[in-house]
Amino acid sequence: DAKTTQPPSMDCAEGRAANLPCNHSTISGNEYVYWYRQIHSQGPQYIIHGLKNNETNEMASLIITEDRKSSTLILPHATLRDTAVYYCIVRVITASKLTFGTGTRLQVTL
Amino acid sequence: EPEVTQTPSHQVTQMGQEVILRCVPISNHLYFYWYRQILGQKVEFLVSFYNNEISEKSEIFDDQFSVERPDGSNFTLKIRSTKLEDSAMYFCASSRAGNTEAFFGQGTRLTVV
Repeated sequence: DAKTTQPPSMDCAEGRAANLPCNHSTISGNEYVYWYRQIHSQGPQYIIHGLKNNETNEMASLIITEDRKSSTLILPHATLRDTAVYYCIVRVITASKLTFGTGTRLQVTL
Repeated sequence: EPEVTQTPSHQVTQMGQEVILRCVPISNHLYFYWYRQILGQKVEFLVSFYNNEISEKSEIFDDQFSVERPDGSNFTLKIRSTKLEDSAMYFCASSRAGNTEAFFGQGTRLTVV
């Protein structure tokens, strides 16, 4: 699986958009970008995934650059409950396991 | 909303004892996983299971570990002879297919003393 690089931590004011970047410059054409988050020590929670098109669901939006070398997870209106570690994971289309890195610790503040 | 459930939430065991961690995956899912997270470290893949057999395992998943789907709903992880370094959060996950998103349970905190 391609390696990902994320900033170790970010802050965001409540109500504002949180934009979490991820670099995956060695991504292959058969690899998806997945985002999960982990609130405190709870189980990782699936957020969204994409291959090359931008994706949106009820939790977030995923913007993937045209060259697919980086992506941004957008939480449109962050709340205190969005404080968590966010993991960007690149996964081969046919693979089942997820390889977690150290992620970005997002702190949402009042 | 369907979810993966794990029991117990916390297990304390003596070193050398056997322990079984239990999981009930989401009902229409066919792929099952175990991951672990040692305190302060990354979430690590242990094993994936499909069609009643292991489909992939990591280096961590040695002979001390085994998995089983004893009936139509449970998925278990057994550690035969626990060591202090087995202390960790153990997460069960399931997915509808091998290449679809996996959903995780809330974990079992295993403490080996």
